[in-house]
Amino acid sequence: GIQVEQSPPDLILQEGANSTLRCNFSDSVNNLQWFHQNPWGQLINLFYIPSGTKQNGRLSATTVATERYSLLYISSSQTTDSGVYFCAVAGSARQLTFGSGTQLTVLP
Amino acid sequence: NAGVTQTPKFQVLKTGQSMTLQCAQDMNHEYMSWYRQDPGMGLRLIHYSVGAGITDQGEVPNGYNVSRSTTEDFPLRLLSAAPSQTSVYFCASTQGGANTGELFFGEGSRLTVL
Repeated sequence: GIQVEQSPPDLILQEGANSTLRCNFSDSVNNLQWFHQNPWGQLINLFYIPSGTKQNGRLSATTVATERYSLLYISSSQTTDSGVYFCAVAGSARQLTFGSGTQLTVLP
Repeated sequence: NAGVTQTPKFQVLKTGQSMTLQCAQDMNHEYMSWYRQDPGMGLRLIHYSVGAGITDQGEVPNGYNVSRSTTEDFPLRLLSAAPSQTSVYFCASTQGGANTGELFFGEGSRLTVL
């Protein structure tokens, strides 16, 4: 199956800083999503982005499908951005494969 | 609009006991799935269903059963609980298939097996 690698595994930022999270995948994909798991364990959709670029407020994402990677940008980070960010992908198979996540801590 | 609803949110079992985790969605989604999340790991797919009457195995199906008698409900059954099944379980659904749709998650069910 498709392999998904996320980097960095851990990231600590000061409030107001910017960050870039990376997701590499091993095969062509029809589906790529970014999720945020907050400290209470809830999983929230951030982006559905199998290709191209999307923006939602301070967050944006870019997927370069031909080079098999996606980037999640967080600008002007806030303490509420803390949590784990997951990338998940699916190719032709009927299942999403998750990376092991990036643990983000934003300090006040 | 409730979205994806899981019950119970917390459960403690003894080894060998059986139980069912309930999942219901009110979005008329065809695709539903169950994941487990263990500490320091991403989510791993247990079972999924592409519509009523159709189920299939994911990455870690052993020890779990599912059925899909209606579009709305997708229960996960543990037949004889083992400590290795201590985990947080998430149900998710999407209108499209997993390879095309945006996935929505329930709030999770934390299971401890003693």
